Amino acid sequence: QVQLVESGGGVVQPGRSLRLSCAASGFTFSTYAMHWVRQAPGKGLEWVAVIWYDGSNKYYADSVKGRFTISRDNSKNTLYVQMNSLRAEDTAVYYCARDALPFGDMVTHLDYWGQGTLVTVSS
Amino acid sequence: EIVMTQSPATLSVSPGKRATLSCRASQSVSSNLAWYQQKPGQAPRLLIYGASTRATGIPARFSGSGSGTEFSLTISSLQSEDFAVYYCQQYNNWPSITFGQGTRLEIK
Repeated sequence: QVQLVESGGGVVQPGRSLRLSCAASGFTFSTYAMHWVRQAPGKGLEWVAVIWYDGSNKYYADSVKGRFTISRDNSKNTLYVQMNSLRAEDTAVYYCARDALPFGDMVTHLDYWGQGTLVTVSS
Repeated sequence: EIVMTQSPATLSVSPGKRATLSCRASQSVSSNLAWYQQKPGQAPRLLIYGASTRATGIPARFSGSGSGTEFSLTISSLQSEDFAVYYCQQYNNWPSITFGQGTRLEIK
């Protein structure tokens, strides 16, 4: 069965960096685009970034562009997001999610989600 | 950016009754619309994609309809496990996919 397990969350001071990981199993990781989606406490869902199945394309929400970098290691079945210059408004549960379309050249719906990892940006 | 607006913010319905949730897009998204269910402390779960196609394992009491800018999710005969928050998501204007703010479905 498809499993996505995020890790790397924690408490970090404003302006510092953090890297999140998402370990994938139960499917051929290298054939699916992957997303990061976040949810601030008590709020709705906000898309953060997507990376193509082969890493050839990466796209970001305006709110994180220039500060966050999404990447993947298909040999390790792992998705990452490097978060720099963190702000209080980045505080959220961060989910990794699989795009539903294998070998996709577009973004579609998200068919599997991890349980999330909490990032708290606070001094 | 396409703005997704869900209504109502909270819907109170009795078990066994029907619930209809609405989602409106600020511009046409064709049928590129998905619905998710989220329970407290859990990740979202895909219910519907392509505006009306149920995801794998989703019960037939969940149905989606609409196209363009107006969409709805209907849950017939509400079960106790259906009380949750529901989000719509457009993926027509990719890569910037956007979610609605959510509708909380609560027990009346």
